[in-house]
Amino acid sequence: GENVEQHPSTLSVQEGDSAVIKCTYSDSASNYFPWYKQELGKRPQLIIDIRSNVGEKKDQRIAVTLNKTAKHFSLHITETQPEDSAVYFCAASIKGGGADGLTFGKGTHLIIQP
Amino acid sequence: DAGITQSPRHKVTETGTPVTLRCHQTENHRYMYWYRQDPGHGLRLIHYSYGVKDTDKGEVSDGYSVSRSKTEDFLLTLESATSSQTSVYFCAISVQGWDYGYTFGSGTRLTVV
Repeated sequence: GENVEQHPSTLSVQEGDSAVIKCTYSDSASNYFPWYKQELGKRPQLIIDIRSNVGEKKDQRIAVTLNKTAKHFSLHITETQPEDSAVYFCAASIKGGGADGLTFGKGTHLIIQP
Repeated sequence: DAGITQSPRHKVTETGTPVTLRCHQTENHRYMYWYRQDPGHGLRLIHYSYGVKDTDKGEVSDGYSVSRSKTEDFLLTLESATSSQTSVYFCAISVQGWDYGYTFGSGTRLTVV
């Protein structure tokens, strides 16, 4: 099955600086890579996603890059703000082998220091 | 959010008792999922469904069963709850298909004592 590794587990940055979270996946057949943000006590919410036929996607201050050859993808947040503090999860799509859906990384706790 | 609700929101139960969690959606989406979330483990897939009476196991299915007799309801049952099943359980639906983004329910916090 798919295995998704996410790093770092905790990331502390100064407000206004950039943050980068990295994920690797194992199944070369995976073709969809979403990122979720989860605030304390809330449900995970989709913030951006990318498909394997695209190398980069941007939405205002957040962007995702994908390197299919190396099987890794990254979330980039620029000009970080206090409301960016949350846990972020990456995921990769899987099909077959007993599970059609998403495999998630273990999460990165992003802390924005004032 | 895409009309997905989970019940109950919180539950405390005793070891060995059966427990059923409910996920209800209002928009007839085909794919539904149950995940559990534990510190240090992220979100792990328990079971999923791709239609009425079509269900399959995920990564951590031992000790859990599911049923989907109607499109809108996906039930997760712990046949005999154990302390290791203390967790937050999230239901999710996929609006467009298995390889599209999910919308999650608000979660059920289950404590087994």
